[in-house]
Amino acid sequence: EADIYQTPRYLVIGTGKKITLECSQTMGHDKMYWYQQDPGMELHLIHYSYGVNSTEKGDLSSESTVSRIRTEHFPLTLESARPSHTSQYLCASSEGREADQQYFGPGTRLTVT
Amino acid sequence: GQNIDQPTEMTATEGAIVQINCTYQTSGFNGLFWYQQHAGEAPTFLSYNVLDGLEEKGRFSSFLSRSKGYSYLLLKELQMKDSASYLCAAMDSNYQLIWGAGTKLIIKP
Repeated sequence: EADIYQTPRYLVIGTGKKITLECSQTMGHDKMYWYQQDPGMELHLIHYSYGVNSTEKGDLSSESTVSRIRTEHFPLTLESARPSHTSQYLCASSEGREADQQYFGPGTRLTVT
Repeated sequence: GQNIDQPTEMTATEGAIVQINCTYQTSGFNGLFWYQQHAGEAPTFLSYNVLDGLEEKGRFSSFLSRSKGYSYLLLKELQMKDSASYLCAAMDSNYQLIWGAGTKLIIKP
């Protein structure tokens, strides 16, 4: 069973606030990912990491940042939340091999008012 | 551009068989994944195909035709718990996943 955790699970916050979504995994996986998913829509890759001190931008990265200081931890920060950021945020991890399956955390449902 | 197409919604009867189709267009190809996602939950891995043919795993099977850019997920002996969205995702030449919007499968008694 995959051990990947996200906090908070639900968050309601006002416009302009800075927020950090936490993601941790205990599987020792090198690769980690952040996705955004709206109901009935595809997953969009926001950021990903190949390992410690490695971060790469995905399709929707322009309004957020990530860091990878430790293997197990991959937090996502929104510097200034906007209503358009209201969505489900999913963190995932996979082993170092190229075509490995991704294991997903339970998600954070963010509402920006 | 890169694209995944799959039906938005399908309905099937408990105990029956259903086939969910997926067509893909990617820059390069390194395999096709199927994930299951129950409402409000995270996706979970079902299958991975990189060679042509059928892979069987219990009640679930997945098929791939690379020349046609086509895959399907076959679910047999449907159970109510199979009601979920089924996500098709193709891996491109950079080993990034291109995701479909998912097919919502509704199972009726």
